[in-house]
Amino acid sequence: GAVVSQHPSWVICKSGTSVKIECRSLDFQATTMFWYRQFPKQSLMLMATSNEGSKATYEQGVEKDKFLINHASLTLSTLTVTSAHPEDSSFYICSARLDFNNEQFFGPGTRLTVL
Amino acid sequence: TQLLEQSPQFLSIQEGENLTVYCNSSSVFSSLQWYRQEPGEGPVLLVTVVTGGEVKKLKRLTFQFGDARKDSSLHITAAQPGDTGLYLCAGTDSWGKFQFGAGTQVVVTP
Repeated sequence: GAVVSQHPSWVICKSGTSVKIECRSLDFQATTMFWYRQFPKQSLMLMATSNEGSKATYEQGVEKDKFLINHASLTLSTLTVTSAHPEDSSFYICSARLDFNNEQFFGPGTRLTVL
Repeated sequence: TQLLEQSPQFLSIQEGENLTVYCNSSSVFSSLQWYRQEPGEGPVLLVTVVTGGEVKKLKRLTFQFGDARKDSSLHITAAQPGDTGLYLCAGTDSWGKFQFGAGTQVVVTP
């Protein structure tokens, strides 16, 4: 299957700092990538849809100025959590979609802990 | 609002038993996927079903897509501890919106 990587796999930061998470499709090109957030024992919650070469589409309730998304190439999307606070601590997962059949393949996730 | 309803939310069984997880919706889906997720990892795609009435088998796992493409089920035969995980259904509806179900946590004890 298609492979998606995320970096870093985990990060601990101080409150008020910014953290960048990278999502890469390793063996295919993805016009569309997605960013999800997952709390313990819950399902994935879509935060935003990342479109190559254009602005991301954010879900209701997700602050676009706080969660900056850049999709500069067909294999890379980045999520920057700006001025992170403890309530931003979560498991962030990205996915990349195959254009021909809409299947999504997920990265391994990034565990963010804000102190 | 969750378009995809999964049941049960939690299932604990002994090794060797069978189990079924259901995924239901009032909407029609052009395709539906099943994923398994283990703690601290991303979801892994198990199968995609696209045709109403379709049945797919993956070793001890059997996936079925309802005739009307509004529901799906996952059946595991002779479950093993390695089947433990969070099972998620997800689908793309007729408006192109992709959404996950709430998930079913399956625990298989030896």
